[in-house]
Amino acid sequence: AQTVTQSQPEMSVQEAETVTLSCTYDTSENNYYLFWYKQPPSRQMILVIRQEAYKQQNATENRFSVNFQKAAKSFSLKISDSQLGDTAMYFCAFSRPPGSNDYKLSFGAGTTVTVRA
Amino acid sequence: GAVVSQHPSWVICKSGTSVKIECRSLDFQATTMFWYRQFPKQSLMLMATSNEGSKATYEQGVEKDKFLINHASLTLSTLTVTSAHPEDSSFYICSAKRLAGARAYNEQFFGPGTRLTVL
Repeated sequence: AQTVTQSQPEMSVQEAETVTLSCTYDTSENNYYLFWYKQPPSRQMILVIRQEAYKQQNATENRFSVNFQKAAKSFSLKISDSQLGDTAMYFCAFSRPPGSNDYKLSFGAGTTVTVRA
Repeated sequence: GAVVSQHPSWVICKSGTSVKIECRSLDFQATTMFWYRQFPKQSLMLMATSNEGSKATYEQGVEKDKFLINHASLTLSTLTVTSAHPEDSSFYICSAKRLAGARAYNEQFFGPGTRLTVL
């Protein structure tokens, strides 16, 4: 089974500053997908960013970017120019390719991010 | 596009009764739907994976006779909590995956969740 570890239960950041969330994972597979999901107080899960393991280039979505280190099995999320609306719980997740027999998302424990005004 | 709804959004029931939660993909067909359980300030725990027209696959430790899952069509899956007890109180979330070959088929789209309280 794949294990996803988020070692930071809580992070606090000043508005307009940058915060980096860490995530490590354990797998013996070569092809897989990694995700960061955001869960605001409404509890609706929102996909923030996605990375395919066979792509060396780090994914970027506006103010959100990742640092994907495949050899180290690390997948950190950087939130730049933090906004109050970024306050949420952030989950790192792993999945096999969608055509796999055992396709599912494995989530980390989550990191609560609070953006201070 | 890719909207998933859940009904009801919250429900309160008495101990011993059964509760059904619906998960619908509103604007796409979903071969696979997933059911998660989430306790406050904790992560999502996968309960089961359901494929249209076949039996659900339950994760280890999840009682299949207690949490009945039916995936009757490509747009609807239901979770029935049978003989609910206070310890079943939780937030239940479903997600849906598009058909292979469709746009964003490697992504799960999440419903807004259902808060179940068993008295």
